[in-house]
Amino acid sequence: EPEVTQTPSHQVTQMGQEVILRCVPISNHLYFYWYRQILGQKVEFLVSFYNNEISEKSEIFDDQFSVERPDGSNFTLKIRSTKLEDSAMYFCASTPRASQGSETQYFGPGTRLLVL
Amino acid sequence: AQKITQTQPGMFVQEKEAVTLDCTYDTSDPSYGLFWYKQPSSGEMIFLIYQGSYDQQNATEGRYSLNFQKARKSANLVISASQLGDSAMYFCAMREGIQGGSEKLVFGKGTKLTVNP
Repeated sequence: EPEVTQTPSHQVTQMGQEVILRCVPISNHLYFYWYRQILGQKVEFLVSFYNNEISEKSEIFDDQFSVERPDGSNFTLKIRSTKLEDSAMYFCASTPRASQGSETQYFGPGTRLLVL
Repeated sequence: AQKITQTQPGMFVQEKEAVTLDCTYDTSDPSYGLFWYKQPSSGEMIFLIYQGSYDQQNATEGRYSLNFQKARKSANLVISASQLGDSAMYFCAMREGIQGGSEKLVFGKGTKLTVNP
């Protein structure tokens, strides 16, 4: 069964450094998402992406964040100048198409980011 | 106001018994979808079940069923015949405006379910 994959599974970085989190969505999916989950807290939406552009973003997704689909398979989240509070689990998700009722968002296994 | 409220931080159930995990939601949009996800200790998010606001019948998927009470704005997850592998965090989530609106899922804080042998 096709699944969303994410790399790396864990990343440790120093405050102020840039990190790139990578995702490979399910191949026939068109909408892509990033969410984050700070330890012990609920999952929060960051951004959705369709047709090579951001379709929706939350207030968390400020100028330090960016997303890109550099080729036909990868979907990346870049965090510039990481802060301690960026430490979280970052989930990528994808769905075949949007707003068609029961189009479930399928999540990847997550990347656990630790900023020191 | 919270969009999704899960009032049970933790629940315990004996193996083979049924358990209900509560979820209430808040929306003024007539078109929305409700989802339940399972998060084991390994961290991944596993989709369990979906209920659309216009669905006439309660959703079922194997041992999972959704007790959807639209007037009360509740979408409780029922797990029948609990297994040890059901021990995990369970998140209720909502997507509003499923016919042309926002694509984001809004999650509740989760319920930690422990299944005892």
